[in-house]
Amino acid sequence: GAVVSQHPSWVICKSGTSVKIECRSLDFQATTMFWYRQFPKQSLMLMATSNEGSKATYEQGVEKDKFLINHASLTLSTLTVTSAHPEDSSFYICSAETGATEAFFGQGTRLTVV
Amino acid sequence: LAKTTQPISMDSYEGQEVNITCSHNNIATNDYITWYQQFPSQGPRFIIQGYKTKVTNEVASLFIPADRKSSTLSLPRVSLSDTAVYYCLVGDTANNAGNMLTFGGGTRLMVKP
Repeated sequence: GAVVSQHPSWVICKSGTSVKIECRSLDFQATTMFWYRQFPKQSLMLMATSNEGSKATYEQGVEKDKFLINHASLTLSTLTVTSAHPEDSSFYICSAETGATEAFFGQGTRLTVV
Repeated sequence: LAKTTQPISMDSYEGQEVNITCSHNNIATNDYITWYQQFPSQGPRFIIQGYKTKVTNEVASLFIPADRKSSTLSLPRVSLSDTAVYYCLVGDTANNAGNMLTFGGGTRLMVKP
């Protein structure tokens, strides 16, 4: 199946700083990628849809100025958590549009803000 | 997207067959049923997908009755490594809209020795 890679796998940052998470499609081109957030013992929640060459589409309640998404190429989307606070600590997961009927996910990034 | 309902958790023992049922009463004609598995601190992984009747692959079977308002994921002879959360999703994956997935609560399966 298609391979989607996220980097880093985990990151710890100080409150008020920004963190960038990368999502790469390794063996295919993805015009669309999706970003999810998952809190402990909860399900995945879709945050935004990332479209190559255009602005991301954010789900209701997700602050677009706080969670900056850039999809500058067909193999890379980035999520930047700006001015991170402890409540932003979560597990962030991306998936990519593959043209197949099943979705392929990255391995996730665990963000801890201290 | 059709809403799904699954049991919150299930317990089983090694070697047993596990059946997890998902209800999706509002499934649409174009919707497929897809199951994903998620281990702690990992992204979900595709298990199986079907539209109707029965689908089987190397890891699981999916049973879908004629009215398609429910589906059952069957895991044969589970092992400790099958302990995970299993998500049932319903969507129009044939048009790739299903790649934008709406996750329900999932079923937390605990396999005991």
